[in-house]
Amino acid sequence: SYELTQPPSVSVSPGQTASITCSGDKLGQKYAFWYQQKPGQSPMLVIYEDNKRPSGIPERFSGSNSGNTATLTISGTQAMDEADYYCQAWASSTSYVFGGGTKVTVL
Amino acid sequence: QVQLQESGPGLVKPSETLSLTCTVSGGSVSNYRYYWSWVRQPPGKGLEYIGYIYYSGDTNYNPSLQSPVTISLDTSKNQFSLRLFSVTAADTAVYYCARMTRGNPAATYFDYWGQGTLVTVSS
Repeated sequence: SYELTQPPSVSVSPGQTASITCSGDKLGQKYAFWYQQKPGQSPMLVIYEDNKRPSGIPERFSGSNSGNTATLTISGTQAMDEADYYCQAWASSTSYVFGGGTKVTVL
Repeated sequence: QVQLQESGPGLVKPSETLSLTCTVSGGSVSNYRYYWSWVRQPPGKGLEYIGYIYYSGDTNYNPSLQSPVTISLDTSKNQFSLRLFSVTAADTAVYYCARMTRGNPAATYFDYWGQGTLVTVSS
């Protein structure tokens, strides 16, 4: 079965850059999607098709995907960006799969 | 803007059937551009895709699910429903309904989500 692996946590200082990785076999040959989930809320799409931002998502959110790793980058991280982030992809063997999630803490 | 709202019992006994309904407003479940899906999240854990239904009645389910599942559609009420059979404590989770974009499976994603509803499996 296909799996996506994320680091459990990432810490970042306000105004700095946070990078969240998502690893999977030949992930770069698939599309990666990223969701933000704040405590007590439902997930929200922040990046689709590797590097596209939905309407209303700040420009500080960007994405890339190459080889076996997709990366979500938050530039100039703000306190409001503190949340769990999940990557997602599709594989024929497992259908739609999510990574385990990364908790971003803004210190 | 489309909105989704889950409803159903918050407590289900082991071996029984979990039944939830998602009511869609601001959009139609008959729109050919979208799939209508269920995703769950056990307390303190990550997201798990359950399955989706298309307006034609076509369905797709996560092959990794342990419990049998059925998703159905009621276009007259603009609703879709989830039934999870023979549940166990492992099925305790927040259940979300979500809209998915339709197209190449690899380019399909979840663009609108309901607020979620907690279902506890316990005797």
